Amino acid sequence: AQSVTQPDIHITVSEGASLELRCNYSYGATPYLFWYVQSPGQGLQLLLKYFSGDTLVQGIKGFEAEFKRSQSSFNLRKPSVHWSDAAEYFCAVGPGGFKTIFGAGTRLFVKA
Amino acid sequence: ETGVTQSPTHLIKTRGQQVTLRCSSQSGHNTVSWYQQALGQGPQFIFQYYREEENGRGNFPPRFSGLQFPNYSSELNVNALELDDSALYLCASSGPGQDEETQYFGPGTRLLVL
Repeated sequence: AQSVTQPDIHITVSEGASLELRCNYSYGATPYLFWYVQSPGQGLQLLLKYFSGDTLVQGIKGFEAEFKRSQSSFNLRKPSVHWSDAAEYFCAVGPGGFKTIFGAGTRLFVKA
Repeated sequence: ETGVTQSPTHLIKTRGQQVTLRCSSQSGHNTVSWYQQALGQGPQFIFQYYREEENGRGNFPPRFSGLQFPNYSSELNVNALELDDSALYLCASSGPGQDEETQYFGPGTRLLVL
């Protein structure tokens, strides 16, 4: 069955520290992979996506993610977290549209 | 800026009532998808419309229905509301071409059913 697992329900990091959010997927075909961010009461904003090519993808707001086929993972990273990064982060796998499956999300808290 | 808008932003209804939520897709995007996001969960796919025809549906009952119009607007209708329908409803549009697999989300409509 197709699924997305985000093992961490919430993570707390200090401002300026590095961040890694984990995402594991199960998908029968070559996946399209996405990371979205959602601020409280808001919709989803696309951070980055991977379709093919270089397995390290750069996104907006200084985020990057690495696709590792052997581990079925697509972890999101940021070298230095800012207080404004506090939000909920969703990993999703597709090929898009109604075949897109979202994880349950990881809530990021940032300590001053 | 995604260009996807939704209305209203918030809505309160009582059980058994009907509700219509609206979405305006990004210009040129002929595919719109609707999602339900319950509190503390990820979005769950409801259905998708392409060129005014439904072309995919998730595990939602028939009382969830939709329409898509030629002017890039769309509607989600829910009949016989139940308490569990309380959620954030998101629409997402995507367009033809190289970026067609990427969905752009609106800010959502938060529905509370009492």
